[in-house]
Amino acid sequence: ETGVTQSPTHLIKTRGQQVTLRCSSQSGHNTVSWYQQALGQGPQFIFQYYREEENGRGNFPPRFSGLQFPNYSSELNVNALELDDSALYLCASSLSTGGGYGYTFGSGTRLTVV
Amino acid sequence: TQLLEQSPQFLSIQEGENLTVYCNSSSVFSSLQWYRQEPGEGPVLLVTVVTGGEVKKLKRLTFQFGDARKDSSLHITAAQPGDTGLYLCAGRGQGKLVFGKGTKLTVNP
Repeated sequence: ETGVTQSPTHLIKTRGQQVTLRCSSQSGHNTVSWYQQALGQGPQFIFQYYREEENGRGNFPPRFSGLQFPNYSSELNVNALELDDSALYLCASSLSTGGGYGYTFGSGTRLTVV
Repeated sequence: TQLLEQSPQFLSIQEGENLTVYCNSSSVFSSLQWYRQEPGEGPVLLVTVVTGGEVKKLKRLTFQFGDARKDSSLHITAAQPGDTGLYLCAGRGQGKLVFGKGTKLTVNP
C-alpha cells in the first residue's frame, strides 16, 4: 500500500509567477485536502476535494485553485505568487469526509518565492 | 471561525519525565486528531478521538477528549528522546480539519 506522494519536493519561484503542485493520494482514498504550513505554525486548510468536487475551502484567495482527477490524484495551482506564499504545502488523503477518519499526509512541497 | 489553542508551545524535558500537552477550543468538533511531525516530513496520525470523554492509550501516550468535545490532552509517560517532534492537535468540523499551532517537544537524553 503506497502512501501519499507529492511532487516536487522543493521549488523556487519568482514573485508574480504561477506554480502547480501535485499529489497522488493513498490507494483507496477518495478525499484530498491541501494545507499551507508556514515556518513555526500549524498547517492551514486551503481546500478539500471529494470525488472530483471541491467540498470545503479555507480562508485563501481565489488565486489558490485546485483539481482532483478521476484517479483521485490532485493538483494545487497558485497564480501571481507573493513572497508570503513561501511555505510547506501539504497534501493529505482520507477514506471519506466523515469525522472518524484520519488523514494520511505526504511529505510536502517546500515552496520558496523570491 | 474555529480555533484550536495548544499549550505549551515549547517543551524541553529530560528523558524519563512525564508531560502533558493541552488543546483547547471554544468550538465543538465532531472528532479530534493528534499528529506528530518531524522536520521535513508531513504530520503522521497518532490517534482519532470521537466520543466526548473518550480515552485512548498508545503505548506510553494517553489521549483524552473532553466531555463537551471542545478540548483534548496528550500525556506522555517516561518520555524518550525518540518522542522528540512537533505534536499537533486537529479538530474536524465544518467539513475541514483545523490545526493548532503545535507543541515542539524536545526530550534530552
